[in-house]
Amino acid sequence: AQSVTQLGSHVSVSEGALVLLRCNYSSSVPPYLFWYVQYPNQGLQLLLKYTSAATLVKGINDFEAEFKKSETSFHLTKPSAHMSDAAEYFCAVYNNAGNMLTFGGGTRLMVKP
Amino acid sequence: GAVVSQHPSRVICKSGTSVKIECRSLDFQATTMFWYRQFPKQSLMLMATSNEGSKATYEQGVEKDKFLINHASLTLSTLTVTSAHPEDSSFYICSARGASGGLQETQYFGPGTRLLVL
Repeated sequence: AQSVTQLGSHVSVSEGALVLLRCNYSSSVPPYLFWYVQYPNQGLQLLLKYTSAATLVKGINDFEAEFKKSETSFHLTKPSAHMSDAAEYFCAVYNNAGNMLTFGGGTRLMVKP
Repeated sequence: GAVVSQHPSRVICKSGTSVKIECRSLDFQATTMFWYRQFPKQSLMLMATSNEGSKATYEQGVEKDKFLINHASLTLSTLTVTSAHPEDSSFYICSARGASGGLQETQYFGPGTRLLVL
């Protein structure tokens, strides 16, 4: 069965600094991988997804993630953090055989002025 | 992108009453809908998966008689919390997945429903 681990339940960066949110997955078949963002009291918004095309995936709001099969990772990055990026971020893996999304525990990103 | 709506966004009810939450896919046909529950500061917990016209598949530990799910059409699924108790208070989120083109792999999420049972 597939699983997702997000290292660091809380990450704090300064405004303008690089954002790096870590995600490692395990899957017995080529995975579909997703990053979602959740603002307080809201649902999840899709940031980007990897579906076996280009390994470097660009998403909304200047976020991007790189699929590294050798490292079983799909880390999320953004060159320069904005205050508005403060939110909860979830990495998820979707396996066709499993027919469902498995979520990581989430990482709360805090952005300091 | 695809849009999923939920109604109501917030509901407060008395213990023992039933509450229905609607989830709609607004601009695509959702062959599969999912219901999640999220506790404060935690990740999403999948409660059940429903395919249009079929009975929902519940995750282990989720009472199907407590959480009734109906997916009667390709754009609407409902979750009814029957005889609600305070421990049912939570944030309920639905998501939907279509079956055509790029929609097939992606789940789109509703904005969530905050349920408070007094």
